Amino acid sequence: TAGITQAPTSQILAAGRSMTLRCTQDMRHNAMYWYRQDLGLGLRLIHYSNTAGTTGKGEVPDGYSVSRANTDDFPLTLASAVPSQTSVYFCASMMDREGTEAFFGQGTRLTVV
Amino acid sequence: GENVEQHPSTLSVQEGDSAVIKCTYSDSASNYFPWYKQELGKGPQLIIDIRSNVGEKKDQRIAVTLNKTAKHFSLHITETQPEDSAVYFCAASKGAGNMLTFGGGTRLMVKP
Repeated sequence: TAGITQAPTSQILAAGRSMTLRCTQDMRHNAMYWYRQDLGLGLRLIHYSNTAGTTGKGEVPDGYSVSRANTDDFPLTLASAVPSQTSVYFCASMMDREGTEAFFGQGTRLTVV
Repeated sequence: GENVEQHPSTLSVQEGDSAVIKCTYSDSASNYFPWYKQELGKGPQLIIDIRSNVGEKKDQRIAVTLNKTAKHFSLHITETQPEDSAVYFCAASKGAGNMLTFGGGTRLMVKP
């Protein structure tokens, strides 16, 4: 089972350019999340989706947008990248049931120069 | 919203010693407390969790304790091994929407 897959693994992006980070899961999980991880530590929630067709803002949503057209895919778009968006981005998914496990992708390392 | 504080941010122990990581949370409605381990270059993975109706849970060398009154919970790793070296995250959830709020992480280094 693939689980949850992110692409690309890493990317160097010029400031001002746009980019979409892809996330796909094959576990039919309802909830999906995007986190950023800075300095090798804390995870901060960017956006989330509790089910296909709905999205919500997390702790640090500015400069990012998401869509959830179907259950499996949850892309994250940076419309105009800035250096402060240099980070490692993790996508996660979870069944919509109390106290279930979050499954994380392997991460996308993004450097904005 | 929920706020989870985690301490220490870094922890260095000698192989064979015990390691303890502590977290506090702010929302008394939180009732699910998982711990995740993140190895270098990988995404976090669940290693153990505890629910609010339980005070302690063990799985081999790892254990979690929960004090709901004080709103804190801890991860205990005994007989540490070099492969325990990683970043550990605590988290809290109150169920609705299943959103996890993570602590800031602890980088554990086990010296051989």
